[in-house]
Amino acid sequence: GAGVSQSPSNKVTEKGKDVELRCDPISGHTALYWYRQSLGQGLEFLIYFQGNSAPDKSGLPSDRFSAERTGGSVSTLTIQRTQQEDSAVYLCASSSMASLNEQFFGPGTRLTVL
Amino acid sequence: AQSVTQLGSHVSVSEGALVLLRCNYSSSVPPYLFWYVQYPNQGLQLLLKYTTGATLVKGINGFEAEFKKSETSFHLTKPSAHMSDAAEYFCAVSVQGAQKLVFGQGTRLTINP
Repeated sequence: GAGVSQSPSNKVTEKGKDVELRCDPISGHTALYWYRQSLGQGLEFLIYFQGNSAPDKSGLPSDRFSAERTGGSVSTLTIQRTQQEDSAVYLCASSSMASLNEQFFGPGTRLTVL
Repeated sequence: AQSVTQLGSHVSVSEGALVLLRCNYSSSVPPYLFWYVQYPNQGLQLLLKYTTGATLVKGINGFEAEFKKSETSFHLTKPSAHMSDAAEYFCAVSVQGAQKLVFGQGTRLTINP
């Protein structure tokens, strides 16, 4: 079946602009996660959605970062007023209720802030 | 809080040789442990996981790992390396009730012909 998909695959933007990154989880998966992969910081957790519960936003690095999940499916990660240090690969993952500890990852969005 | 340390950011082995990638974790509660592999320009793929039960877990592509509580380790091994094993490998930890994964820094595995 279809895996986790992310769009765009690559995004180049100018410092100060806003960007939106999209994630389509595996159909039926109730949990959705965003991670960031960068050279300096490795793989970092950003935010976690589970069903209708309040999201765990504990990994968001600043208030310029936000995410929403509409209808319990698609999620959008928004970065406002982008900075060069936001350049990274943003990875989305999803998991099912039956196996919350097995996360399936998408291919990522490579963000470059000039 | 949990943490993971992967010893060796870069490991190089010959084709057919034993692969050993080291991972140590820190957790105040029983951990769930994972190994993921990442091929160039791709996302992460789960190799294997330990949650409860048998401490020796087998994964895809001939990899296995053993959970050793006394050593707080979860090293990844494969008896005979293939060229296709060249990739970056990440060890990760989570705990029940906290589904976010905490990753190690990764180990890049190179296979020499």
